[in-house]
Amino acid sequence: ETGVTQTPRHLVMGMTNKKSLKCEQHLGHNAMYWYKQSAKKPLELMFVYNFKEQTENNSVPSRFSPECPNSSHLFLHLHTLQPEDSALYLCASSQGLAEQNEQFFGPGTRLTVL
Amino acid sequence: GQNIDQPTEMTATEGAIVQINCTYQTSGFNGLFWYQQHAGEAPTFLSYNVLDGLEEKGRFSSFLSRSKGYSYLLLKELQMKDSASYLCAVMDSNYQLIWGAGTKLIIKP
Repeated sequence: ETGVTQTPRHLVMGMTNKKSLKCEQHLGHNAMYWYKQSAKKPLELMFVYNFKEQTENNSVPSRFSPECPNSSHLFLHLHTLQPEDSALYLCASSQGLAEQNEQFFGPGTRLTVL
Repeated sequence: GQNIDQPTEMTATEGAIVQINCTYQTSGFNGLFWYQQHAGEAPTFLSYNVLDGLEEKGRFSSFLSRSKGYSYLLLKELQMKDSASYLCAVMDSNYQLIWGAGTKLIIKP
């Protein structure tokens, strides 16, 4: 247990569906992240929040919409996804954005888009 | 562009030593991380290097040479449970982590 939980663990959705991924951290951290992990590819940073404010959006398509209501919770809202969006979506948190702050990862949501 | 290179896959024998290399070209450098990721699980932190040299932590050690853009993770007395992917990541000048694709380590009895 890393102190970061994600739900659901697995999700299958059609291209016209709307779904949301949830992440919660119990570590008292101030920064939270969404990553996409595809097979044999590097982790892709999608969004970064620091003290509930979005600080990074790495050219992510608008069909992915993040929400951070407080420092402990992070959501990723999904709509009209494409099959190529099928991947493992990882949430992470860290004390802050500074260089020495290691990131703690949740177990991920395995997303399949049909 | 920014790039992290590490071998795709390595095989080693239980009880032996293995070295996983990582080379990087990034815009700025604010430290290098190694993470371990077992299949189907979250990545977990192993080490952080920001100064040149070797950092030892039990059976695992990590080395950094900033002038060469090079790091390695050294695993000693390999155990079957060390079978996992090992991810190298560099924090760039914007404090973003740039990740390698990971090295899948297979341990054989």
